[in-house]
Amino acid sequence: AQKITQTQPGMFVQEKEAVTLDCTYDTSDPSYGLFWYKQPSSGEMIFLIYQGSYDQQNATEGRYSLNFQKARKSANLVISASQLGDSAMYFCAMREAYTGGGNKLTFGTGTQLKVEL
Amino acid sequence: KAGVTQTPRYLIKTRGQQVTLSCSPISGHRSVSWYQQTPGQGLQFLFEYFSETQRNKGNFPGRFSGRQFSNSRSEMNVSTLELGDSALYLCASSLEGQSNQPQHFGDGTRLSIL
Repeated sequence: AQKITQTQPGMFVQEKEAVTLDCTYDTSDPSYGLFWYKQPSSGEMIFLIYQGSYDQQNATEGRYSLNFQKARKSANLVISASQLGDSAMYFCAMREAYTGGGNKLTFGTGTQLKVEL
Repeated sequence: KAGVTQTPRYLIKTRGQQVTLSCSPISGHRSVSWYQQTPGQGLQFLFEYFSETQRNKGNFPGRFSGRQFSNSRSEMNVSTLELGDSALYLCASSLEGQSNQPQHFGDGTRLSIL
């Protein structure tokens, strides 16, 4: 079974609109962390936001927020007020405290976001 | 504060050759991880080094190896290159001690095998 599933290969959003990128995960580890990264066409991976499995509140970082639903094992990224510069590939990733160990990240297949005027 | 530095940015090799990629982590980061990114397989974990020891290893053949030096800089070596090794190789570093510490990635080395 896939540990991280991103079901949207591509998404379009109008500038200034909000967009939700889906991510579901599968783990039996009681302790894990979920990360979202942005990868522009230039290739670098940019960290956006983190949610820990024991965090009670949804994480927020500026225009990024994470809709964490633990029982459903989903960690959707919400980008508010989209900008042209948000056009990129977005990856959801998980670090499992015991199963993976260390800092190993397991990535989803990514969602290509295109922001239009 | 300087970010993660990977050298070289681009590399072209032929089948059967070997290659060494370098990664300098953010100052103070002792954990360095390597990932391979290809269109077909996506992002896959290669290995992680911490305090000069390999702490974790992905599902790659023995042709892929790495090491870490006392200053936390890391190198990754691929021997007997195959066409399928063409990929973007990403290095990431992170702090230890807190689970919420993200990995910070370099710009990657794009390796092409002819």
